[in-house]
Amino acid sequence: TQLLEQSPQFLSIQEGENLTVYCNSSSVFSSLQWYRQEPGEGPVLLVTVVTGGEVKKLKRLTFQFGDARKDSSLHITAAQPGDTGLYLCAGARSNFGNEKLTFGTGTRLTIIP
Amino acid sequence: ETGVTQSPTHLIKTRGQQVTLRCSSQSGHNTVSWYQQALGQGPQFIFQYYREEENGRGNFPPRFSGLQFPNYSSELNVNALELDDSALYLCASSYRQGVTEAFFGQGTRLTVV
Repeated sequence: TQLLEQSPQFLSIQEGENLTVYCNSSSVFSSLQWYRQEPGEGPVLLVTVVTGGEVKKLKRLTFQFGDARKDSSLHITAAQPGDTGLYLCAGARSNFGNEKLTFGTGTRLTIIP
Repeated sequence: ETGVTQSPTHLIKTRGQQVTLRCSSQSGHNTVSWYQQALGQGPQFIFQYYREEENGRGNFPPRFSGLQFPNYSSELNVNALELDDSALYLCASSYRQGVTEAFFGQGTRLTVV
């Protein structure tokens, strides 16, 4: 059972455009993480959000955790070809760390030069 | 690079055979989690080991088993392989304290024919 739904599933946009990826759940998570995965490699952690309403920025990437800690969004400004990849959100229920991560379905992003 | 290494990187097995996958965790990390990622899906939690004991299990049958060694490295064993076991198997290590990040290896691509 996939508890985290990501949308859109696929996104292809031109270099320089902005985009937002959504991660939604009916469950509350103690923390939520975003990963990017390249083909043939493992996911690489981008950010962890913990507090409801929290906003974190990583260069052109802005991450937000919903007030109720059930959803999150990733906004990319002025997308570049290097942003291409599979973006995964993952929720943790435990306060002891990110054990038993529940991953979303993923958003495959392609940035066209 | 996360410092988590998995071996082998690719493997082809025949249905009914047994397979052992290995993971060397990042220095200082005492928790190892295993995930199965089918093509086009997000990773699914298989189980986790903390200080050599199983610490949680996902919805996988008993033919999926594991071990963690005193140096915190880990093995994933799968018996009686089925075609649907074909997937990318990911190992993630973390230090179980507070909100911590999981660092993934590059994965083992298992193909069952």
